[in-house]
Amino acid sequence: AQSVTQLDSQVPVFEEAPVELRCNYSSSVSVYLFWYVQYPNQGLQLLLKYLSGSTLVESINGFEAEFNKSQTSFHLRKPSVHISDTAEYFCAVSPYNQGGKLIFGQGTELSVKP
Amino acid sequence: DGGITQSPKYLFRKEGQNVTLSCEQNLNHDAMYWYRQDPGQGLRLIYYSQIVNDFQKGDIAEGYSVSREKKESFPLTVTSAQKNPTAFYLCASSRGSGSEQYFGPGTRLTVT
Repeated sequence: AQSVTQLDSQVPVFEEAPVELRCNYSSSVSVYLFWYVQYPNQGLQLLLKYLSGSTLVESINGFEAEFNKSQTSFHLRKPSVHISDTAEYFCAVSPYNQGGKLIFGQGTELSVKP
Repeated sequence: DGGITQSPKYLFRKEGQNVTLSCEQNLNHDAMYWYRQDPGQGLRLIYYSQIVNDFQKGDIAEGYSVSREKKESFPLTVTSAQKNPTAFYLCASSRGSGSEQYFGPGTRLTVT
């Protein structure tokens, strides 16, 4: 079985400050790792993913996440946030060879203030 | 445009009635998924289908049913047996294991 824990339900931060959204997971099998973003009353959009290779993955809008196998973590970071980054962020894992299903964390609400 | 459509965006039903939520994709994806989202609980998997005419239960399948008669369509029926059906329902599709899931805009179901 798999589980995902997002350690902070809400993260308030000022514009241009750095931010880290924490994600830990547990799994008895190998998993792929994802971060999705959700804007109010919308579906989810992929932010970035780790499948294999370099443990540091980046998105086109400045977010990055690092896979740490020993700590079973996949924390999301951005060095300088914008007001437009205000959204809910979900960490998810997908077990190998199980049809691509996702197991989500509870979500972290990022609120960027001017 | 390629993507996933869910209809309607808002749905209201009386307790005791079955209701079917629509999900259509034109991405030619083999796999489709239904999730339920409740505040503070993230998304939970209801059912998923890896191929036409086949589907598997997710973590919270009780009170729900699905069908997969066509590759493009994966409707979800919320039955009267579902004890707490009011929620935001999201449909997704992907090419399968290890692939990104593409999400629809969601249907917000309210049962009173």
